Amino acid sequence: EVQLVESGGGLVQPGGSVRLSCAAFGFTFNNYWMHWVRQAPGKGLVWVSRINSDGSSISYADSVKGRFTISRDNAKNTLFLQMNSLRVEDTAVYYCAKVAAAGSLVSAFDSWGQGTLVTVSS
Amino acid sequence: DIVMTQSPDSLAVSLGERATINCKSRQSVLYSSNNKNYLTWYQQKPGQPPKLLIYWASTRESGVPDRFSGSGSGTDFTLTISSLQAEDVAVYYCQQYYSTPYTFGQGTKLEIK
Repeated sequence: EVQLVESGGGLVQPGGSVRLSCAAFGFTFNNYWMHWVRQAPGKGLVWVSRINSDGSSISYADSVKGRFTISRDNAKNTLFLQMNSLRVEDTAVYYCAKVAAAGSLVSAFDSWGQGTLVTVSS
Repeated sequence: DIVMTQSPDSLAVSLGERATINCKSRQSVLYSSNNKNYLTWYQQKPGQPPKLLIYWASTRESGVPDRFSGSGSGTDFTLTISSLQAEDVAVYYCQQYYSTPYTFGQGTKLEIK
């Protein structure tokens, strides 16, 4: 059974940093592109970033470009999101998501973690 | 960026009746070389992550009840629930995966009338 488990969220001050992790289980992690999606309290889903199977191709939403860094450790089956220069508007539940088709960029997200809440506040 | 707009924002339907949610993209998400629409539908219940319902605009994910169907092409898409069940109360999102950023619609909240 595919399982994605996020961790690392919490309360952080504006301008601060936090590193999210997403541990993957039940599938061959290094075959799949992975994504981060966020959801502010009571709001809709917003795509944040994606990374290809070996970490050589990365893309970001404009709102986080230059502040967030996505990475992965295929030996540890873990996806990361390093979040720097955090703003109040970055407050959200952050989900990691796996694409449905192995080796494919263009694919729906068929598995999602439960999410981890990041609250940016002084 | 491809802007995705859903309608309506909220919808109340009686049990057993049909529910229809629309999604419009500002530009086509149909890839001509393979004739596939890069459009997906998710269901999100309170306190839960999104769940994949439909991909390629009309292909039902394994395990999704056949009362859920997707249709449309190019820029106009529809999610239909043929006979609403109580467990279908949720927020529904469309998303394009044609190009980054992979934008979502604003969501449609479905309730029981």
